Amino acid sequence: EAQVTQNPRYLITVTGKKLTVTCSQNMNHEYMSWYRQDPGLGLRQIYYSMNVEVTDKGDVPEGYKVSRKEKRNFPLILESPSPNQTSLYFCASSSGPTNTGELFFGEGSRLTVL
Amino acid sequence: AQKVTQAQTEISVVEKEDVTLDCVYETRDTTYYLFWYKQPPSGELVFLIRRNSFDEQNEISGRYSWNFQKSTSSFNFTITASQVVDSAVYFCALSEGRNDMRFGAGTRLTVKP
Repeated sequence: EAQVTQNPRYLITVTGKKLTVTCSQNMNHEYMSWYRQDPGLGLRQIYYSMNVEVTDKGDVPEGYKVSRKEKRNFPLILESPSPNQTSLYFCASSSGPTNTGELFFGEGSRLTVL
Repeated sequence: AQKVTQAQTEISVVEKEDVTLDCVYETRDTTYYLFWYKQPPSGELVFLIRRNSFDEQNEISGRYSWNFQKSTSSFNFTITASQVVDSAVYFCALSEGRNDMRFGAGTRLTVKP
């Protein structure tokens, strides 16, 4: 089954404790991206990746890091989480650039930073 | 700067009513892409449609239809004969470049039986 898998789905952590949200896709997609969803703001793009070792910032990259060492994986790293990073996070993948077609989303990861 | 406005925060209808979700966008580019995504109560995001700026033909897919009007910078979504399963948050989105995507704040649709 074609899917994008995120882990963990739910996480409560404390300020400053580094965490990683993993994202893996099994569709051999070149393009992957991260979004955060906040009430009243919709989804905002954090980072995207066009291929292995190629990443770029989206609209809200501050406080986040990403890496793309393998085609299927695109982890989101919060080096020193803060309460304003409490949000619902989505990973997405697509066969081509974001604007060319359907984004396939993971199920979301709800993060709470205390 | 890009901007997508979904002025309707919440809409509630009774089953079988028709409902239109509004989407107004801002862009200076002549080439851009518009999307609609659905987020049901289970939380996942489901792609509904993509439209490029050069194609103003309206689209119909079953009970769903989309009205793209460049003159008013709108890309509205209509559900005909709504059903309870249509209850969800619907997002309109705009992309200008190859990899950007900017979403509206979403409209929560509740369809009551």
